[in-house]
Amino acid sequence: LAKTTQPISMDSYEGQEVNITCSHNNIATNDYITWYQQFPSQGPRFIIQGYKTKVTNEVASLFIPADRKSSTLSLPRVSLSDTAVYYCLVESNGRGGADGLTFGKGTHLIIQP
Amino acid sequence: GAVVSQHPSRVICKSGTSVKIECRSLDFQATTMFWYRQFPKQSLMLMATSNEGSKATYEQGVEKDKFLINHASLTLSTLTVTSAHPEDSSFYICSASAPGDSNQPQHFGDGTRLSIL
Repeated sequence: LAKTTQPISMDSYEGQEVNITCSHNNIATNDYITWYQQFPSQGPRFIIQGYKTKVTNEVASLFIPADRKSSTLSLPRVSLSDTAVYYCLVESNGRGGADGLTFGKGTHLIIQP
Repeated sequence: GAVVSQHPSRVICKSGTSVKIECRSLDFQATTMFWYRQFPKQSLMLMATSNEGSKATYEQGVEKDKFLINHASLTLSTLTVTSAHPEDSSFYICSASAPGDSNQPQHFGDGTRLSIL
């Protein structure tokens, strides 16, 4: 399993763009990168998934460099409601449906007014 | 999108009680579901993999006789914490992925807060 490393916590302000970077140096060829968001006393919620280059959806962008040893989750114009823990996970091809996920410690993002 | 429902959301009971938690996939069939446990201010820890029609697979250190898992249908898995004690108090979360391409993400229930007095 590819180990992930991300900052324990980050602070930002409303309206700012927030970038959270995750390192996964031993990512395998078949691995995908997935980010989840978790609020207190709730289950994690899927944000975005990618394999390489850039992926964008309605809530976030995911940037993955050519060597895929890291990835950056970008949240545009954050609000107070984006305060949460964000987890970066590496999932092997086909493992999303066959194996459970190994969560790292996550990044606690705190948004201030 | 795929929805996973978990029930109950909170349980408070006396030590020695057995507690059953249900996990349902509402709009898709899941041959595999997963159960996690999360202690305060910690990350999620995978407890076991629930397989429809067969025995669950438990992670190292998780007692299978303590945490009974039943996956009798393609939309329902249950976790029973038997003879619960205060140290079993935790946040229990289930997940499943919808069928389709191999890299379908996991969809999580909203968790069950278990408090043993």
